[in-house]
Amino acid sequence: NAGVMQNPRHLVRRRGQEARLRCSPMKGHSHVYWYRQLPEEGLKFMVYLQKENIIDESGMPKERFSAEFPKEGPSILRIQQVVRGDSAAYFCASSPGTGSNIQYFGAGTRLSVL
Amino acid sequence: EDKVVQSPLSLVVHEGDTVTLNCSYEVTNFRSLLWYKQEKKAPTFLFMLTSSGIEKKSGRLSSILDKKELSSILNITATQTGDSAIYLCAVEEGGNQFYFGTGTSLTVIP
Repeated sequence: NAGVMQNPRHLVRRRGQEARLRCSPMKGHSHVYWYRQLPEEGLKFMVYLQKENIIDESGMPKERFSAEFPKEGPSILRIQQVVRGDSAAYFCASSPGTGSNIQYFGAGTRLSVL
Repeated sequence: EDKVVQSPLSLVVHEGDTVTLNCSYEVTNFRSLLWYKQEKKAPTFLFMLTSSGIEKKSGRLSSILDKKELSSILNITATQTGDSAIYLCAVEEGGNQFYFGTGTSLTVIP
């Protein structure tokens, strides 16, 4: 039973390019969370999604950032026109959504913006 | 303002020592508190606490929640070098919103 899979593990982009981060939740999990971790800081909540729905995006910047979790396929976190300040580790977590809210984390995507 | 505050920020101990990590929170609609261990990669789940005063135990690790004091502690006895990691506390608020603290960085010296 594979865990939460994130790819790519490392992503390098130049300023102004787009970054697409993918997350496949654990089998049977319908809830996905995205977090950003800056150096020396804790995990900061960005967005919470269920299949085809954004439940809470209060932690996501209003511009340049978007997330989706389509009926088929992985959840995608998209960052348009990246800036150096977007450099961070982005973690995805999934939970079953019913009964247990324990989140299981992927290994993260480390985004570096040159 | 930080909803979850962990202390200390970092800790260096010798193998065999016992450590206590603290987590305090301030949320409107508390549902649960979770502890994670983060080594180089993804945080791994340790405990989930929902009721006050009931200790959860796993080997040398234990944790307890105090809803009156809005806090939790994570204890590690007889520490080993493999316990070196960042320990994260997260609080779930109603609506499936999770808030994480900045973590306590634990280093265990042989």
